[in-house]
Amino acid sequence: NAGVMQNPRHLVRRRGQEARLRCSPMKGHSHVYWYRQLPEEGLKFMVYLQKENIIDESGMPKERFSAEFPKEGPSILRIQQVVRGDSAAYFCASSPPPDYGGEQYFGPGTRLTVT
Amino acid sequence: GQQVMQIPQYQHVQEGEDFTTYCNSSTTLSNIQWYKQRPGGHPVFLIQLVKSGEVKKQKRLTFQFGEAKKNSSLHITATQTTDVGTYFCAGLMDSNYQLIWGAGTKLIIKP
Repeated sequence: NAGVMQNPRHLVRRRGQEARLRCSPMKGHSHVYWYRQLPEEGLKFMVYLQKENIIDESGMPKERFSAEFPKEGPSILRIQQVVRGDSAAYFCASSPPPDYGGEQYFGPGTRLTVT
Repeated sequence: GQQVMQIPQYQHVQEGEDFTTYCNSSTTLSNIQWYKQRPGGHPVFLIQLVKSGEVKKQKRLTFQFGEAKKNSSLHITATQTTDVGTYFCAGLMDSNYQLIWGAGTKLIIKP
């Protein structure tokens, strides 16, 4: 059973460009979470999604950031018009149904660098 | 807002010494989970505690959940270099479905 997959592993963008981060959850998992982690800091929750639904986006900035988890395909975290402060590691995690609150399985992360 | 406070932020130990990290919540938790993140790596699930007063062991690691289900601790006996990393707790709030993460405790082995 393949683990949570994220790509790309490293992404470099110039200020003003768009960044698209992809996450494929573990097989059978229908819950996806996105986190941001700055160097030497903890995990900051961004958004929680189930298939075709955003359940909780309270941790996501209101502007420039969006997330989706379509019926088919990976979950996407999209950052428009990136700024230097967006440079961070972005981790995706998944957990199995039916109950939220179980353990989360993390992907290897995408390290975003904005130049 | 709801918070899970985790202390200390860093702990420097000699190899062979013990290590402890503590988490405290302002509200009652449904469960608490512990994760380990190695330097440059991603968080890896270690354990979940659900019952009041629960104690679980994994080799040299001992996890406790307080009687009031508001606090938890992770204790490592006789640390080894493989224990290096940051340990995070994450508590599931009783009142909603949100998992609240502690800031992590970084375990550093002194050379």
